[in-house]
Amino acid sequence: QLQLQESGPGLVKPSETLSLTCTVSDGSISSSSYYWGWIRQPPGRGLEWIGSISYSGSTSYNPSLKSRVTISVDTSKNQFSLKLSSVTAADTAVYYCARTTGDCYDYWGQGTLVTVSS
Amino acid sequence: EIVLTQSPDFQSVTPKEKVTITCRASQSIGRSLHWYQQKPDQSPKLLIKYASQSFSGVPSRFSGSGSGTDFTLTINSLEAEDAATYYCHQSSSLPFTFGPGTKVDIK
Repeated sequence: QLQLQESGPGLVKPSETLSLTCTVSDGSISSSSYYWGWIRQPPGRGLEWIGSISYSGSTSYNPSLKSRVTISVDTSKNQFSLKLSSVTAADTAVYYCARTTGDCYDYWGQGTLVTVSS
Repeated sequence: EIVLTQSPDFQSVTPKEKVTITCRASQSIGRSLHWYQQKPDQSPKLLIKYASQSFSGVPSRFSGSGSGTDFTLTINSLEAEDAATYYCHQSSSLPFTFGPGTKVDIK
């Protein structure tokens, strides 16, 4: 069964760049049937869509974050990545990577908590 | 941006009761509405896609209905393991958005 696993620093300083990687196993990231996305959840709050990418590199971003977000894909490593620049405390959240058909998100990683603090 | 509202915010239910959660979209989204279940300290899990299609492996007590702006998630004969927060999600237009969630507690 497809598995996704987020990795990256759990603590980022304000104004720096948050960087996370999602490793996909037991499945290929190069499938043309799927996109790969990031969703975040501040502690005790709801879900926010960050953006998604196809295996060929076509991206969609949430306009509220667009100026600070970059999502990229590395098919040779079966990974995709998230970079969020100029972070503030408001970016503290659990970050999830997930597979999407372009509509619903059918497989999710376990999530990783990123805290923005000096 | 399409705004999704859910009701109720919270529901406390006894086992075997029927639970109904509604999700309303700020504009018509056809059937591009999906439901997720999130238990404490777990990632969300897809329950229902495209308003009424059950995702693989989801118990048959979960069902969805609706189209346009009004949607419903129904849990027939609630079980203790169904204690969770339930979110709706629209994929009709970017940016994708989620509802605020409905927390279901077991009495």
